[in-house]
Amino acid sequence: RKEVEQDPGPFNVPEGATVAFNCTYSNSASQSFFWYRQDCRKEPKLLMSVYSSGNEDGRFTAQLNRASQYISLLIRDSKLSDSATYLCVVNKRGSYIPTFGRGTSLIVHP
Amino acid sequence: GAVVSQHPSWVICKSGTSVKIECRSLDFQATTMFWYRQFPKQSLMLMATSNEGSKATYEQGVEKDKFLINHASLTLSTLTVTSAHPEDSSFYICSLGTGVYEQYFGPGTRLTVT
Repeated sequence: RKEVEQDPGPFNVPEGATVAFNCTYSNSASQSFFWYRQDCRKEPKLLMSVYSSGNEDGRFTAQLNRASQYISLLIRDSKLSDSATYLCVVNKRGSYIPTFGRGTSLIVHP
Repeated sequence: GAVVSQHPSWVICKSGTSVKIECRSLDFQATTMFWYRQFPKQSLMLMATSNEGSKATYEQGVEKDKFLINHASLTLSTLTVTSAHPEDSSFYICSLGTGVYEQYFGPGTRLTVT
């Protein structure tokens, strides 16, 4: 089993739709969790950190479920500009070295 | 967040030659930088952790004699791909950590070996 698993998609949704991605991790000692966004042929950019209490930033909501070892990202009112690959990133406790999922591709169409 | 630059952004070289990629932290003193490689439709794969003033730590399966890393200052780390071959063609990205587990990435270098 991979350390960090994501459904590669693509998720194909119309503008305005709500879409959710999940990411599962295998190491229960994982401590830090992030969602990054990567556009085609570009570097990843931090979208948001994921806290135990969950967090929200505008149309984006991230949740952590430690019992089931997964994190989620919810995007409301999708925009065309949200089309990208969303990478789930997990750090083990006390480690700066991240483990990346392979990413979930989102395509938002008119 | 921290600003990271990479140079060159794009390079084509012939098989057997060496290519040096620079990663600069523009506004943050980075004691640690990371080097990744990403093949098309694949995830980022950590190659090595670059530590300022000491030897890099390579991930399993990454040849340290082929991928030479030098982190001579708090703002510059370099990756040299020696004797490049077509299978080394990839997107190479550096990042730096800022002490709170978040990563800030350089824009990447696309290497094509012919």
